[in-house]
Amino acid sequence: NAGVTQTPKFRILKIGQSMTLQCTQDMNHNYMYWYRQDPGMGLKLIYYSVGAGITDKGEVPNGYNVSRSTTEDFPLRLELAAPSQTSVYFCASSYSTSDETQYFGPGTRLLVL
Amino acid sequence: GNSVTQMEGPVTLSEEAFLTINCTYTATGYPSLFWYVQYPGEGLQLLLKATKADDKGSNKGFEATYRKETTSFHLEKGSVQVSDSAVYFCALSNYGGATNKLIFGTGTLLAVQP
Repeated sequence: NAGVTQTPKFRILKIGQSMTLQCTQDMNHNYMYWYRQDPGMGLKLIYYSVGAGITDKGEVPNGYNVSRSTTEDFPLRLELAAPSQTSVYFCASSYSTSDETQYFGPGTRLLVL
Repeated sequence: GNSVTQMEGPVTLSEEAFLTINCTYTATGYPSLFWYVQYPGEGLQLLLKATKADDKGSNKGFEATYRKETTSFHLEKGSVQVSDSAVYFCALSNYGGATNKLIFGTGTLLAVQP
């Protein structure tokens, strides 16, 4: 099993550009999450999904959108990139609420200039 | 609301030294508590967890005990190695709606010198 995979590993965007961060998991997990990690700030939850077709906002959703058309994929969309979105983005998944362990991808480093 | 506070780093130790990284939490109800580790250039990995008061989580020589009376979950290891150099995150589960969301502390960088 590959676990949770994310692409790209690194990207530079200009202000106002858009992009999609890809996340795929092959563990048949129902729950998926997007976090951003800023230096010295820990991880903040952006969006999460409890299954295909169901998504909800986390702590810091502004400027982002998500979709969940399949169990495996949970892409994160930035429509109008801003310097404040410079961060490292992590996707994670978990099997159920009874198993709270989350499994993380390797991250995408995004720089907005 | 629920929150996690952990000691600021960096923590610099010599190989075979004793490690303690402090973590305290604020929560309503009875959350589960976690330590995650992030090695350089990688995503977070679960190190250990405890789901109720007085439980001890352990893995790879690391231990942490869920102390409800002091709202703490301090991470300890008796003898650190250079390979333990990483960022350590304390977290609690925050059940809200249909899923358990994790609330993370800010992370503590551990650097172990040979």
